[in-house]
Amino acid sequence: GENVEQHPSTLSVQEGDSAVIKCTYSDSASNYFPWYKQELGKGPQLIIDIRSNVGEKKDQRIAVTLNKTAKHFSLHITETQPEDSAVYFCAASTSGTYKYIFGTGTRLKVLA
Amino acid sequence: KAGVTQTPRYLIKTRGQQVTLSCSPISGHRSVSWYQQTPGQGLQFLFEYFSETQRNKGNFPGRFSGRQFSNSRSEMNVSTLELGDSALYLCASSSGYQETQYFGPGTRLLVL
Repeated sequence: GENVEQHPSTLSVQEGDSAVIKCTYSDSASNYFPWYKQELGKGPQLIIDIRSNVGEKKDQRIAVTLNKTAKHFSLHITETQPEDSAVYFCAASTSGTYKYIFGTGTRLKVLA
Repeated sequence: KAGVTQTPRYLIKTRGQQVTLSCSPISGHRSVSWYQQTPGQGLQFLFEYFSETQRNKGNFPGRFSGRQFSNSRSEMNVSTLELGDSALYLCASSSGYQETQYFGPGTRLLVL
């Protein structure tokens, strides 16, 4: 069935360093890939998304890259700050299915 | 605009009981999705509604059901509760499919 694998499950970085989280999806028809940040006690919040007709998208310190051939997409956070500490989820969806498949999450800790 | 609201925020039930959770989407949003979040399984898709129609359903038993009203508010019901139903239930709304999903804070259900 449809599946999204996410790695690593936990990631600790020093403040100011970069963080990279990787996801692999199984459905080659997937065409929309959002990333969410979830802080303690809150619902997930969209931080960036990418569609299959684009290879890379940037928003300030956050970027997402997509490799359709390999069915991989990655989240890159540069110049990490303590407030970036949270759980990050990737997701994939396919037109016409009306559902999102989420990865299992990455707990990011930014050490001051 | 007010965000997605979910009620109640916390709920304690015993095995065999049933429960109804409510979600009010952002004004103007017609798509509402429900997810179950547990530490072991991550975010799992339950169902999606648009204009009172269920467009897709995840791999959950028939004890899990939902509906959407004409004002786009949605409810989900779980009958004959089991210990394994303990989870955070998240609702998300969007203006359309593959548009940004905005999550509510969730309802934390504990089944004893």
